[in-house]
Amino acid sequence: ETGVTQSPTHLIKTRGQQVTLRCSSQSGHNTVSWYQQALGQGPQFIFQYYREEENGRGNFPPRFSGLQFPNYSSELNVNALELDDSALYLCASSLEGRRTQYFGPGTRLTVL
Amino acid sequence: AQKITQTQPGMFVQEKEAVTLDCTYDTSDPSYGLFWYKQPSSGEMIFLIYQGSYDQQNATEGRYSLNFQKARKSANLVISASQLGDSAMYFCAMREPLNTGTASKLTFGTGTRLQVTL
Repeated sequence: ETGVTQSPTHLIKTRGQQVTLRCSSQSGHNTVSWYQQALGQGPQFIFQYYREEENGRGNFPPRFSGLQFPNYSSELNVNALELDDSALYLCASSLEGRRTQYFGPGTRLTVL
Repeated sequence: AQKITQTQPGMFVQEKEAVTLDCTYDTSDPSYGLFWYKQPSSGEMIFLIYQGSYDQQNATEGRYSLNFQKARKSANLVISASQLGDSAMYFCAMREPLNTGTASKLTFGTGTRLQVTL
């Protein structure tokens, strides 16, 4: 069984740029959630995708957007990057109706 | 809104000893789920254990057990026979339903850093 994978591992961008982060869900999982973890804090929910539709969103501005593809992989896009967007971005997958979200290794984004 | 509180920023434990990490929660939903995750310095969140609000018995997974006290709204993680590899951040989280269907999100506490010493 393949676990959740994310790419890239690390990324450095400058303020105002745009970034795309990618996530492949665990085999058989059709739901993907994205979280932002700032340094020294717990993860904060960004949004969740189920069957290619966004079905829930946290308190993040519209410049955070996402996609889910037919193979259940997902992208997180952030436009107009700000310094406060520097964080670890975690992707988690789960099976519809199941309880547990399984996380990937994360992408560490630094905005200069 | 749900809330998770972890009051121990850091804990030390000697190898082979047991340690308890505290977690309290606040919710008005009668149905909820509580999770513990381990986050090593590499960053990946590793699922450890789950407790459902209607589960009659405390959850156990190998060396991990969850001391669930519903009336006190606490869900403490107990790690028995600590190992050096247990040194990491530990997060308590609660599942919160979203708008429709089976959609849900996790609300996390601020974490406890556990250091296992020789």
